[in-house]
Amino acid sequence: AQSVTQLGSHVSVSEGALVLLRCNYSSSVPPYLFWYVQYPNQGLQLLLKYTSAATLVKGINGFEAEFKKSETSFHLTKPSAHMSDAAEYFCAVSFSGGYNKLIFGAGTRLAVHP
Amino acid sequence: DAGITQSPRHKVTETGTPVTLRCHQTENHRYMYWYRQDPGHGLRLIHYSYGVKDTDKGEVSDGYSVSRSKTEDFLLTLESATSSQTSVYFCAISPRPPTSGRGTYNEQFFGPGTRLTVL
Repeated sequence: AQSVTQLGSHVSVSEGALVLLRCNYSSSVPPYLFWYVQYPNQGLQLLLKYTSAATLVKGINGFEAEFKKSETSFHLTKPSAHMSDAAEYFCAVSFSGGYNKLIFGAGTRLAVHP
Repeated sequence: DAGITQSPRHKVTETGTPVTLRCHQTENHRYMYWYRQDPGHGLRLIHYSYGVKDTDKGEVSDGYSVSRSKTEDFLLTLESATSSQTSVYFCAISPRPPTSGRGTYNEQFFGPGTRLTVL
């Protein structure tokens, strides 16, 4: 069975600081992994995805994530936080043959302080 | 942005009443999904559809039913709403991969959500 754990329901950083949001997954088959972002009162927007090509994946708005099979992790990073990055971030896992169904983590709310 | 609309966007109803939420897409994608979002739980899959009249249960399907009579519309029905069904409901769509195997996965695109309050 597949599952996702996001460490830290709330993360707070200063503007210009490194952003690190943690995601660990459990999957009995090779996973597809995703990060979505949700701004207040909006739907989810895809940030980036891992589908077995490069293990370091670059996404929109300067975010990137690295797939580490040995650690079953897919942490999201951004070198320098911007005020506009304040949002909730969701990690999700899926697999082949599953009708593209997603299993989400509980989410991490990112706050960015001046 | 993917052409996905949800209606209504907000609804307040009373316990025991039936409620139907509608998801409409203009992308002609084969797969459609209904999720609910609750604090501390992320998004949880309620039901999904892999084609017209083809639907299946997700993780939290009790108390919900769905129907898909045409490609563009996916309806979620709460037969008798309860306070525990107060939530934000999201519809999502995804194209069917052209072939099977690795590298052919397609991501989901989400609608704007419906905020449902059951009093």
